[in-house]
Amino acid sequence: EAGVTQFPSHSVIEKGQTVTLRCDPISGHDNLYWYRRVMGKEIKFLLHFVKESKQDESGMPNNRFLAERTGGTYSTLKVQPAELEDSGVYFCASSPAFGEQYFGPGTRLTVT
Amino acid sequence: AQSVAQPEDQVNVAEGNPLTVKCTYSVSGNPYLFWYVQYPNRGLQFLLKYITGDNLVKGSYGFEAEFNKSQTSFHLKKPSALVSDSALYFCAVRDIDSNYQLIWGAGTKLIIKP
Repeated sequence: EAGVTQFPSHSVIEKGQTVTLRCDPISGHDNLYWYRRVMGKEIKFLLHFVKESKQDESGMPNNRFLAERTGGTYSTLKVQPAELEDSGVYFCASSPAFGEQYFGPGTRLTVT
Repeated sequence: AQSVAQPEDQVNVAEGNPLTVKCTYSVSGNPYLFWYVQYPNRGLQFLLKYITGDNLVKGSYGFEAEFNKSQTSFHLKKPSALVSDSALYFCAVRDIDSNYQLIWGAGTKLIIKP
């Protein structure tokens, strides 16, 4: 069974540019989550999809972040325009109902 | 507010010795507790969880954790450390008030020296 995959693994962009991160969950997992870890700090929840619906987006930092999950399969997280403080590792996870979350390898975003 | 604390940024242990990585939590109700590990250049891997039942939970790679309700702790342990256990360890708690959101500790870097 393929695990959660994320693309790209690393992205370096300039302040003001746009970046789109992609997450492919484990097939059949309705729940998809985005988390972020800023360097040296705790992992913070961003949002939670159930299929294509946003169940909880209380962790989204501001309106520069837009997450979508069209069709309830893969998800994208767009940052536009990117700021320096957006740098960090973005993790995606998926789970079946009530199960533990399986994480992807993360995307390391560096905004210069 | 729900929170998780990992009081040690780094733990150093000699190979073959027992190891403990500490975690304490604060939740309003009954917690679901998790340990994840991140090896260099890898994603987060699930190690073990406590939902209910026996306070001593066994997980992957010989790790175990003990749930202590009175001390609100969920320390990760292993009887004999391996150099390959060197990694970043995260404790997390399920926020029962907001569906499936995990609340995380800051992580503890575990270094096992030969």
